[in-house]
Formats: sequence, C-alpha cells, structure tokens
Amino acid sequence: AQSVTQPDIHITVSEGASLELRCNYSYGATPYLFWYVQSPGQGLQLLLKYFSGDTLVQGIKGFEAEFKRSQSSFNLRKPSVHWSDAAEYFCAVEVYNQGGKLIFGQGTELSVKP
Amino acid sequence: ETGVTQSPTHLIKTRGQQVTLRCSSQSGHNTVSWYQQALGQGPQFIFQYYREEENGRGNFPPRFSGLQFPNYSSELNVNALELDDSALYLCASSLAQSSYNEQFFGPGTRLTVL
Repeated sequence: AQSVTQPDIHITVSEGASLELRCNYSYGATPYLFWYVQSPGQGLQLLLKYFSGDTLVQGIKGFEAEFKRSQSSFNLRKPSVHWSDAAEYFCAVEVYNQGGKLIFGQGTELSVKP
Repeated sequence: ETGVTQSPTHLIKTRGQQVTLRCSSQSGHNTVSWYQQALGQGPQFIFQYYREEENGRGNFPPRFSGLQFPNYSSELNVNALELDDSALYLCASSLAQSSYNEQFFGPGTRLTVL
C-alpha cells in the first residue's frame, strides 16, 4: 500500500541555519510527490512538486526538494531559515493513477529560534 | 479572484447528530476534494467530486457523503456523528482532476463532537 512517512514530528532550528525535513514514501511506481506547508488557521499551501525529470525541484519561499528513488525519499531543504518559516510541513504522494487524490504524511512541526 | 472558502469556521456537535460543512471553490475550478485532519495527523482523503459526480473515495464509511453543485461549490455531510469525527475538515479545489493542476486548500472547518 502507498504510504508516506515523516520521521521527525518536531524540529527546532535557529534562524539563519539550514533546514532539512525528511520524507520517505512507499510506492510501486514512479510517484508524484508534493510538499505542503500549513500555518495556524491557514489552509495547506503547495511549496513544490515532483512528477518527473530533474530530481532537484525548486519551489516557493526558497525551498527545494530532492527526489532519490534509491532511498525512496523526497527531502525538503532550505539553506537559511527565516522566523516566518515556522509552521507544519506535510509531504504527500498522489494515489496511484488517481489524479488529485493525495496521501499525506503525519507532518513535521518546525520551530525557529531567534 | 477569491480563494477557497469554507463555512462555518468552527462548530460543536454532540454524538449522534448530523452536520453539513460547506466549501466554495476557487473561481473556475470544477474539482473539489475533501480531507479530514485529526489533531497531530496529516490530512486523510475522504472523497473527490468532479463536475457534480463523485470521483473517488477514501477509506471512510457511507455516513460521510457529499454533494457538488452546478456552481462547483460543495458540501460534506456526516451523519451519526462519533467522537472520532472531531477534526479539521479541509476542502481543496482545482481546475481538473489531475495532479498537474494545483489544488488550493481552504482554511478548514474545525468540528468538535462531544
């Protein structure tokens, strides 16, 4: 069965430090992968997505993610975190051959220290 | 262009009651998906509607039902509420039922079942 695992429930980083949020997926074919961010009281916002091609994907707000098929991973990175990046981050995979239906990980809460 | 809106923002119901949640899609979007997000968890796919027809359903019982109207707004109905139905309910709209079309999420409705 398809699934998404985000091993880190909560991460704290200092402002200006680099960030990496981990995501592992279980999927029988080439997955469509997504990262979303959710701020309190807000809906989910798409940061970036991977369908095919270049395995390093650039997104909004300075985020990027790298697809590694050998490790079944799609980790999210940012070189320098800003206090406004504090939020909940979700990795998701599309249900096989069902456009627009997503399976989400349980999320990683990011806190940013001044 | 207005985004996805949901109503009400919060509501409290008692076990056994019925509830209707509403979602207004972003202008021009003909596909809407509903997700349930329990506290501390990632969203779980409930079902999707495309041009007023149900187009896929997640692992939710039949007491979860929906409608999509000609203007593409949508309702989620839950009968015989249970305590475990307490969650944030998110709707997302997109141009079509394809992952190539970004889903835009509303801020959600927080349902509490007592």
